[in-house]
Amino acid sequence: DAKTTQPPSMDCAEGRAANLPCNHSTISGNEYVYWYRQIHSQGPQYIIHGLKNNETNEMASLIITEDRKSSTLILPHATLRDTAVYYCIVRVVGTGANNLFFGTGTRLTVIP
Amino acid sequence: DAGVIQSPRHEVTEMGQEVTLRCKPISGHDYLFWYRQTMMRGLELLIYFNNNVPIDDSGMPEDRFSAKMPNASFSTLKIQPSEPRDSAVYFCASGATAQSYNEQFFGPGTRLTVL
Repeated sequence: DAKTTQPPSMDCAEGRAANLPCNHSTISGNEYVYWYRQIHSQGPQYIIHGLKNNETNEMASLIITEDRKSSTLILPHATLRDTAVYYCIVRVVGTGANNLFFGTGTRLTVIP
Repeated sequence: DAGVIQSPRHEVTEMGQEVTLRCKPISGHDYLFWYRQTMMRGLELLIYFNNNVPIDDSGMPEDRFSAKMPNASFSTLKIQPSEPRDSAVYFCASGATAQSYNEQFFGPGTRLTVL
């Protein structure tokens, strides 16, 4: 699976949009971009995933660049409960190798 | 659904003792994963099962660690004998092949402290 690079930490004011970047310059054509987050003392939680089109769900939006070498997770109106470590993961889907490689992630702190 | 259930939530034991961690995956899921999280190494996969069969155990640190899945609704991770460096949070996760995007659902974790 391709390696990802994320900033170690970010701050965001409550109510503002949080934009979390991820670089995955070695991504392959059949690899998806996944985002998970881990709130303190809890297990990781799936947020969103995409292949090449932008995606949106009730939690967040995922913007993937046209060359697919980077992406941005957007939390449109961050709340204090969004304070967590966010992991960007790139992996192939459906091959049977369903393990996830969690890097160091970005620690997002939402400030009141 | 209650989600992935792990027990115990906290375990404190002394070096040399046997430790057994338990996991009940979400009903209908055919994948089960065991992860370990430490400050030094982050979140790392230990082993995963598909239809109760171990598929990849390359992440199991050494022979002191063993995992079983006797049926679709139960798995154990055993450490014998335990050592202080095994202190970590152990997560169990499950997933379903039927899902097109293979989301994994994590349990609350078991915090293990080996004295």
